[in-house]
Amino acid sequence: SAVISQKPSRDICQRGTSLTIQCQVDSQVTMMFWYRQQPGQSLTLIATANQGSEATYESGFVIDKFPISRPNLTFSTLTVSNMSPEDSSIYLCSVEGQPNTEAFFGQGTRLTVV
Amino acid sequence: QKEVEQNSGPLSVPEGAIASLNCTYSDRGSQSFFWYRQYSGKSPELIMSIYSNGDQEDGRFTAQLNKASQYVSLLIRDSQPSDSATYLCAVNLGYSTLTFGKGTMLLVSP
Repeated sequence: SAVISQKPSRDICQRGTSLTIQCQVDSQVTMMFWYRQQPGQSLTLIATANQGSEATYESGFVIDKFPISRPNLTFSTLTVSNMSPEDSSIYLCSVEGQPNTEAFFGQGTRLTVV
Repeated sequence: QKEVEQNSGPLSVPEGAIASLNCTYSDRGSQSFFWYRQYSGKSPELIMSIYSNGDQEDGRFTAQLNKASQYVSLLIRDSQPSDSATYLCAVNLGYSTLTFGKGTMLLVSP
């Protein structure tokens, strides 16, 4: 399985500000995924990031709020923009083992918005 | 709407017992099934994969799949306090991303 490094591991941010989360993979991957896990909830897919094209967002998530970059096959960033307390969650970067099979996760970013 | 259902628990078992975790899914086209373990404050860790009907064993863990009943389970034998975590069931249709259940919290008491 790929080794996925995600940072920061946690942050406390003021409402109205933005935070950029970085995800680095130790091998080239076609797709990278960003999930959100709200307190006591399961994982919800935010978007799929393909290198060289715009990210594909799931229903309920928009690019203006969660812009994503994918400059190469080993790196992606997710920005949480204009944050509110409702954005307090764990954000997880993920890659597939094989296409359309299991997912492997980075360590996650625990975000608290105050 | 793809759905994966799990009992939220907590499921409490004594040390050494068998813990049985269950999951149902709504889409009959689902092709692959996974169990993840998530410790509090940590990211999910893949512990079992199963792709065909029957049992898949790995050490103390056994995953069971019944596609006719749209049911997948995870058995943990000789449960240890270190097994206390939330267990997430995830399902893949084969052409899309994973759909996760909300997870079952397992508590193993010494």
